[in-house]
Amino acid sequence: DAGVIQSPRHEVTEMGQEVTLRCKPISGHDYLFWYRQTMMRGLELLIYFNNNVPIDDSGMPEDRFSAKMPNASFSTLKIQPSEPRDSAVYFCASSDALAGYNEQFFGPGTRLTVL
Amino acid sequence: GQNIDQPTEMTATEGAIVQINCTYQTSGFNGLFWYQQHAGEAPTFLSYNVLDGLEEKGRFSSFLSRSKGYSYLLLKELQMKDSASYLCAVRDGDYKLSFGAGTTVTVRA
Repeated sequence: DAGVIQSPRHEVTEMGQEVTLRCKPISGHDYLFWYRQTMMRGLELLIYFNNNVPIDDSGMPEDRFSAKMPNASFSTLKIQPSEPRDSAVYFCASSDALAGYNEQFFGPGTRLTVL
Repeated sequence: GQNIDQPTEMTATEGAIVQINCTYQTSGFNGLFWYQQHAGEAPTFLSYNVLDGLEEKGRFSSFLSRSKGYSYLLLKELQMKDSASYLCAVRDGDYKLSFGAGTTVTVRA
């Protein structure tokens, strides 16, 4: 099992540019979560999906952030336009019913730096 | 919403025991979780409690008291590889996890 896959692992961009982060969940997992981690705010849930449908996006900071899940094996988190305060590590995680959805499996994260 | 408190840092000696406390205030409760995160890596699941009491898993144990809004993670026979951040998280009525700021544990030889 390859685990949750995220790309890119590192992204450096300039303020105002569009950033797209990608995630492939573990095959068969029906829940997918996007998190952001910073020193100041810790690990925060941005949005999560169940069976490709967004369930709760109350953690999305503002309209500059959007997330999609076009199929069970792929999700994107887009920031347009990006700002320096968006600099963080973005994690994708997935889970399934096998353990009662009690364990979330995290990807390696994407470290985003906005200059 | 959730309010989750845990100490910022703890230091212990190799072979010793360390207890990381977590208190929470929540509008709904559907489980308390502990995750381990090594520097520069992703969080990994350690334990889950939904009923009061102690859950033991090898060198790690987790305790929950729902009436007190309190949990602890007990790390026994500390090893150098246990140096990491330990995150307490609470799940409310659905599948959302809210994480505490994390406790950085440093194990010294």
